[in-house]
Amino acid sequence: GNSVTQMEGPVTLSEEAFLTINCTYTATGYPSLFWYVQYPGEGLQLLLKATKADDKGSNKGFEATYRKETTSFHLEKGSVQVSDSAVYFCALSVLLYNQGGKLIFGQGTELSVKP
Amino acid sequence: GAGVSQSPSNKVTEKGKDVELRCDPISGHTALYWYRQSLGQGLEFLIYFQGNSAPDKSGLPSDRFSAERTGGSVSTLTIQRTQQEDSAVYLCASSVSRQSYEQYFGPGTRLTVT
Repeated sequence: GNSVTQMEGPVTLSEEAFLTINCTYTATGYPSLFWYVQYPGEGLQLLLKATKADDKGSNKGFEATYRKETTSFHLEKGSVQVSDSAVYFCALSVLLYNQGGKLIFGQGTELSVKP
Repeated sequence: GAGVSQSPSNKVTEKGKDVELRCDPISGHTALYWYRQSLGQGLEFLIYFQGNSAPDKSGLPSDRFSAERTGGSVSTLTIQRTQQEDSAVYLCASSVSRQSYEQYFGPGTRLTVT
């Protein structure tokens, strides 16, 4: 079946440090890949997406590249800020008639950025 | 414009009682999803609606759970005879269509069963 595995947290970094959160997936068909973010006290927000192999999704300084050969979609940011403190979820979606574009999520990685 | 809204934001109920959770999707969004976020299970898919139809209900955790959508808009998730393991945050999301990859999430309903 389809599944997503992401690195466990919590991850604690100092401001301006480089961030990598690893995500790998298993899927049949041709999944689309996503990173969602959940800031404290807020709902889930789409951070970035990639819909086919070698696509790079980017937003707010975050990037992730869809790597089919390694079945990975690692999240990176060159210089994190305190405001990036949140829980990050990697997810995949394979369109199915009976389940639409349902998202399958990884377990989430909590990031804490210290000033 | 208005985003996805859910009500109530918090619900505390006694074991064995029924609860009804409501979702108002973004106007014009034909696809609607329910997910559950709990400590033990993470984020899991419950059910998908295209219009008023839910083609597959196998993601619902038990037959105590049911969901409906009316007028292609508002959806309700009903849990009968609640159990403590039903305690979780229930999230609703909508998207423009089944083929759209962008799902917009509501703030969730935190359900606590005592």
